Amino acid sequence: DTEVTQTPKHLVMGMTNKKSLKCEQHMGHRAMYWYKQKAKKPPELMFVYSYEKLSINESVPSRFSPECPNSSLLNLHLHALQPEDSALYLCASSSIGADGYTFGSGTRLTVV
Amino acid sequence: QKEVEQDPGPLSVPEGAIVSLNCTYSNSAFQYFMWYRQYSRKGPELLMYTYSSGNKEDGRFTAQVDKSSKYISLFIRDSQPSDSATYLCAMSDNTDKLIFGTGTRLQVFP
Repeated sequence: DTEVTQTPKHLVMGMTNKKSLKCEQHMGHRAMYWYKQKAKKPPELMFVYSYEKLSINESVPSRFSPECPNSSLLNLHLHALQPEDSALYLCASSSIGADGYTFGSGTRLTVV
Repeated sequence: QKEVEQDPGPLSVPEGAIVSLNCTYSNSAFQYFMWYRQYSRKGPELLMYTYSSGNKEDGRFTAQVDKSSKYISLFIRDSQPSDSATYLCAMSDNTDKLIFGTGTRLQVFP
């Protein structure tokens, strides 16, 4: 089992809904990430939190709102999404110079 | 030119073959090199992690990094049908940004 836990595993939401994706790691990693992956494509970076502060935002639309409540938790709040936002959303954590980046199993999101 | 180039395949080999997967890159600042395996509809799984140049071996897997040529490789010995997956190379410099290749789809047939 992965050491980065993501919930839920699957999510179907309407375009007017508000939902949240959750991610948890207990490896003491200082950086946490959200990636979006479309079918047959590599993961694309969305956000990076370093020491609980947002350090990178890859020009992601404001309908995606990240939150890092503490060093172990990362949330992604979703609001007014579009069908093209349907994808696998991956959380990852890392300590640079140590063991690489560890990914969770992802949340498969479908926007209807 | 993309920062990281990887042949998308698909690569189809018989069971027991040696598989060679490769990536080239353009950013000389990259220092950390990784290979991930991703099964369909799952998250990427870290296979190998290398800092700077050199070789690293773990069981049937060997990772090589040649920084002078900006070229990295992953070799899989005695390939098994369970190795059938997409293999992603990834690399980073001293920032928190991980850059992926496009992934190579591998199929190992019995």
